[in-house]
Amino acid sequence: NAGVTQTPKFQVLKTGQSMTLQCAQDMNHEYMSWYRQDPGMGLRLIHYSVGAGITDQGEVPNGYNVSRSTTEDFPLRLLSAAPSQTSVYFCASRGTALNPAEKLFFGSGTQLSVL
Amino acid sequence: DAKTTQPNSMESNEEEPVHLPCNHSTISGTDYIHWYRQLPSQGPEYVIHGLTSNVNNRMASLAIAEDRKSSTLILHRATLRDAAVYYCILRAPGTYKYIFGTGTRLKVLA
Repeated sequence: NAGVTQTPKFQVLKTGQSMTLQCAQDMNHEYMSWYRQDPGMGLRLIHYSVGAGITDQGEVPNGYNVSRSTTEDFPLRLLSAAPSQTSVYFCASRGTALNPAEKLFFGSGTQLSVL
Repeated sequence: DAKTTQPNSMESNEEEPVHLPCNHSTISGTDYIHWYRQLPSQGPEYVIHGLTSNVNNRMASLAIAEDRKSSTLILHRATLRDAAVYYCILRAPGTYKYIFGTGTRLKVLA
């Protein structure tokens, strides 16, 4: 059971380039989300999804797009990368969207540097 | 979302118990209290959660105040592998968001 898989693990971009961070889970989880973590800081929620075809914004959504065409995948797109988007990105999922007792499962992260 | 307040950092000696406090004075009656930890260079991992009564699992214990305005994560015997940032989070029914604060950085001294 792979859990939550993120690719790539490391990425360097130039300002203005676009790219997609991949996240996949094999647990049939309804809920998926993206966080970013800047050095020495806590995690901030970017976007989340409560099921295929349904997405919504978190705390810091600007500069990022998401879609959820399947239950398994939740890619995060940077359309025009900026140095302020240099961060570690974590994908997380949980079984159901609304159950407050469910725990989150995290991927191992993608370290992104924008030059 | 209700907020939590945690000390920025704490230290403990190896093999001794550690009590990590969390203040959540604006908690509502249906909010669950969750704890996660983040080891260096890893994603956060679940530790424990509770609603009203104290909870135990293989990793830790969670003591919840009677008025639910605070809680304490207890590591019974800290090891060097427990050095991490510990996050206390409230989860409300009917909401979709986990909002993480800055957490408590636990340093374990050999």
